[in-house]
Amino acid sequence: DSGVTQTPKHLITATGQRVTLRCSPRSGDLSVYWYQQSLDQGLQFLIQYYNGEERAKGNILERFSAQQFPDLHSELNLSSLELGDSALYFCASSPRLGVYEQYFGPGTRLTVT
Amino acid sequence: GQNIDQPTEMTATEGAIVQINCTYQTSGFNGLFWYQQHAGEAPTFLSYNVLDGLEEKGRFSSFLSRSKGYSYLLLKELQMKDSASYLCAVNNGGSQGNLIFGKGTKLSVKP
Repeated sequence: DSGVTQTPKHLITATGQRVTLRCSPRSGDLSVYWYQQSLDQGLQFLIQYYNGEERAKGNILERFSAQQFPDLHSELNLSSLELGDSALYFCASSPRLGVYEQYFGPGTRLTVT
Repeated sequence: GQNIDQPTEMTATEGAIVQINCTYQTSGFNGLFWYQQHAGEAPTFLSYNVLDGLEEKGRFSSFLSRSKGYSYLLLKELQMKDSASYLCAVNNGGSQGNLIFGKGTKLSVKP
């Protein structure tokens, strides 16, 4: 158990819908990362927050957005969902900015039908 | 662009030694990580190299050559539970810590 929690574990929804994925980092960790993992693409970095502020963006679609709240939990919002958005979404946390080991949550499996 | 290459699949025998290679071409470099991921589960940290050379941690070792853009993960005394995907990831020099992952190498350990 990494100490990172994610909810829900599974999510099934239809195309065009909007969903919110939630992540709570390890106690004391200020930095949160979101990744998408699909079968053919591997783990793709989406976005990073540190202490409430966006710090880095990867291959995140404009239909996706995220935020980190004062209690340091983070939410990833996915809208106008398409079949291709079906994937495992992982959240990871690390203690500070910089290059540190990242601790991954169990992931949310999103299926868009 | 950013490119990280690993073999897609490997097979090895229980008790043996296996080496998983990773080559990278990135705009910058600030460290290389290896993660283990069992099917459907979260990646877990195995090792971190930022300087050239070998880092040993129990049955697992990781090597880095920055001049060659090359790393390998060495697994000794293989056990059935080592069957998993092994992900090579690079921090490309950004101070934020985000990682670029390879697609992973699926290792199957056979009796």
